Amino acid sequence: GQSLEQPSEVTAVEGAIVQINCTYQTSGFYGLSWYQQHDGGAPTFLSYNALDGLEETGRFSSFLSRSDSYGYLLLQELQMKDSASYFCAVPPSPRDNYGQNFVFGPGTRLSVLP
Amino acid sequence: GAVVSQHPSRVICKSGTSVKIECRSLDFQATTMFWYRQFPKQSLMLMATSNEGSKATYEQGVEKDKFLINHASLTLSTLTVTSAHPEDSSFYICSARTSSDTQYFGPGTRLTVL
Repeated sequence: GQSLEQPSEVTAVEGAIVQINCTYQTSGFYGLSWYQQHDGGAPTFLSYNALDGLEETGRFSSFLSRSDSYGYLLLQELQMKDSASYFCAVPPSPRDNYGQNFVFGPGTRLSVLP
Repeated sequence: GAVVSQHPSRVICKSGTSVKIECRSLDFQATTMFWYRQFPKQSLMLMATSNEGSKATYEQGVEKDKFLINHASLTLSTLTVTSAHPEDSSFYICSARTSSDTQYFGPGTRLTVL
């Protein structure tokens, strides 16, 4: 089976930096994804790490350590619009294996205060 | 990025009726689409994997006779909630997988069963 753990809530102020951690247990591993979801909306893709290390995309960065089964999403220069839920997820296996689950973590609710 | 649409965006129905939700990939072909359900303040839960031209693969605990999935073409998958009951009220989200294994989510359908 597969399971992911995240903190349920994080609060920070505008302009700050926040790190959202994710630990996972999987029977097979093909990388770690991060999604953002605003209230009432659908998840939007933020990043994907297949290899160890840090991936930077603008204000958002994502890190993976496969040996530690751990990753994090780093949000810099926080803005009010960043208030949302953030999910780590283990994506499906390669195309020729439809049997893998796509598992989402429980989500972290980020509140950005003025 | 690729666009996935869902229709309707919101539906209210009486208990015992059936509701059909459509998921379309607008600018790419998707041999695989996924259906998720999300209850308030919870994570996304994969319900089933929809494969074009073949039967859907349902996750454990999801009744295939209640949640009928038809993936009739490379751009359309439908989910029919049969004999809906209030406990089926939820946010239903589809996603479509591109040839490069990236998933794009639809905007979701809010189902309320009275």
